[in-house]
Amino acid sequence: DVKVTQSSRYLVKRTGEKVFLECVQDMDHENMFWYRQDPGLGLRLIYFSYDVKMKEKGDIPEGYSVSREKKERFSLILESASTNQTSMYLCASRTETGLRSNQPQHFGDGTRLSIL
Amino acid sequence: DAKTTQPNSMESNEEEPVHLPCNHSTISGTDYIHWYRQLPSQGPEYVIHGLTSNVNNRMASLAIAEDRKSSTLILHRATLRDAAVYYCISDDNYGQNFVFGPGTRLSVLP
Repeated sequence: DVKVTQSSRYLVKRTGEKVFLECVQDMDHENMFWYRQDPGLGLRLIYFSYDVKMKEKGDIPEGYSVSREKKERFSLILESASTNQTSMYLCASRTETGLRSNQPQHFGDGTRLSIL
Repeated sequence: DAKTTQPNSMESNEEEPVHLPCNHSTISGTDYIHWYRQLPSQGPEYVIHGLTSNVNNRMASLAIAEDRKSSTLILHRATLRDAAVYYCISDDNYGQNFVFGPGTRLSVLP
């Protein structure tokens, strides 16, 4: 089974801090994704990466950046954390074998981040 | 972007079949239909997906209307562990536009 591991289940940081959220997948997947999930808003795509060193903005990239130096690891960076970035953050990965849209995304269990 | 609409909530009795509907009237010919579910305190879990034909796997069945404007996720015998939020998603041909709506919250009654 695919395993997507997020480094922390719960994280508390202060306003203005630089925050790193880490995600590792063990299935050699090319594509990786970062979402945030908020009540009433569902999941929203922040950034995604088709392969190593590649990144694309999703629907809400403002205030975030990402890093994909190795295929198995996709990091989400909050450059200067703000209280409106308090949320559940979800990482996902997907193979690119065949047509992308024909492949499921595999999710981690999420990091609940609180910015005080 | 193809959008989907689902009922906010549904209820089922344990060990009975559950039919979860989804409308995707603006879907294009090459968009796949994906279903995920999310249990409390977990990330979304893949359930099933398809393009035109009905699909079956160990978790569920997916019935896709002939005009592809709607689909139904079928859980053949609901268990208490099936209580979750179920998301219906249509994926564009480039596979980058996975839009999760609010989903359907399924309650299973013992």
